[in-house]
Amino acid sequence: QVQLQESGPGLVKPSQTLSLTCTVSGGSISSGGYYWSWIRQQPGKGLEWIGYIYFSGSSYYNPSLKGRVAISVDTSKNQFSLNVNSVTASDTAVYYCAKTDWTAFFDCWGQGTLVTVSS
Amino acid sequence: QSALTQPPSASGSPGQSVTISCTGTSNDVGGYDYVSWYQQHPGKVPKLMIYEVSKRPSGVPDRFSGSKSDNTASLTVSGLQAEDEADYYCSSYVGANNVVFGGGTKLTVL
Repeated sequence: QVQLQESGPGLVKPSQTLSLTCTVSGGSISSGGYYWSWIRQQPGKGLEWIGYIYFSGSSYYNPSLKGRVAISVDTSKNQFSLNVNSVTASDTAVYYCAKTDWTAFFDCWGQGTLVTVSS
Repeated sequence: QSALTQPPSASGSPGQSVTISCTGTSNDVGGYDYVSWYQQHPGKVPKLMIYEVSKRPSGVPDRFSGSKSDNTASLTVSGLQAEDEADYYCSSYVGANNVVFGGGTKLTVL
């Protein structure tokens, strides 16, 4: 059973870059067959898909965030990462990483990590 | 891209059935059989309940079922139980490696 765990700073200053890492255990990102997504949920709000990456490094993003977001993968560490630059208070959210099937459903989620943007 | 449209709330009494809708366009819900549904209890991680419109993952009770007609997908919960009270989100592939969620529906078991 694949497990995912997010890690990274819980507090980021406005205008800086938010960086998170998702560590995958119980399965190899390199085995292919799945995308690896980042999803966020602002306090009291709904889910928002940020983007996903394939083990090859091909990445795809929500058009509303494109330009500020980058997802990368490190197959040697079985990890994938998220960078969001020029953050504002509206980037405050619980960030989840998730294993994603080819038909775009999220069948395995990390526990989520709260990132607060504040000075 | 616009979020899929879900009713903010739905409710039913124990034992009853309730259906939650998820409306999109021919470019998302209507264009692909790639609609999924997630249950989220307060403070918890979302859980996959339905994928590819009507398929249930192992371990999800058969009280949960999904369907689609034109640009609207639906999640039906039959035989409502107190533990079904949660937020429910739909999601759809929208082409060009893009995914969109619905705004969520809070299901209350009366």
